[in-house]
Amino acid sequence: EAQVTQNPRYLITVTGKKLTVTCSQNMNHEYMSWYRQDPGLGLRQIYYSMNVEVTDKGDVPEGYKVSRKEKRNFPLILESPSPNQTSLYFCASSLLTGGLGGYTFGSGTRLTVV
Amino acid sequence: QQQVKQSPQSLIVQKGGISIINCAYENTAFDYFPWYQQFPGKGPALLIAIRPDVSEKKEGRFTISFNKSAKQFSLHIMDSQPGDSATYFCAASASGSRLTFGEGTQLTVNP
Repeated sequence: EAQVTQNPRYLITVTGKKLTVTCSQNMNHEYMSWYRQDPGLGLRQIYYSMNVEVTDKGDVPEGYKVSRKEKRNFPLILESPSPNQTSLYFCASSLLTGGLGGYTFGSGTRLTVV
Repeated sequence: QQQVKQSPQSLIVQKGGISIINCAYENTAFDYFPWYQQFPGKGPALLIAIRPDVSEKKEGRFTISFNKSAKQFSLHIMDSQPGDSATYFCAASASGSRLTFGEGTQLTVNP
């Protein structure tokens, strides 16, 4: 089954404790992206990657890092999480750049930073 | 700075009614306008998309209407069903660049 797998689904952490949210896709997509979803703000792009070792900032990159060492994996790293990063996070991949033709989204990671 | 403005924020419709969600954009370079549907606990999924060379696209009960001169596009759900209850997002991009999403509309269809 074609899918994007994120882990964990739920995470509660404390301010300043580094964490990584993993994302893996099995569709051989070159384009991958991270979004955060907040009420009233919709989905905002954090980082995206057009291919292995090619990443770039989205609209809200502050406080986040990403890496793309393999085509299938695109982890999101919060090196020093803060409460304003409490949000619902989605990883997505697409065959074409920028989600053309449709993104496949993961099921989401709900992060709470206390 | 929200480049795609979506309204209403929430919508309640009776079963069998028509649901209408509107989006407006400013960037005239946008050339791809998808709508995504999101059920609770799930990621968004592509529902229907349109390019600006057509004014309307229909897939089953779902129709996108596009008004290039007004820089607006809308989603119409005909014969709305309780199973359509979800959050809907419009989005836009230019030439395969980053997809910008609207704020989302929570649709509730009452039985």
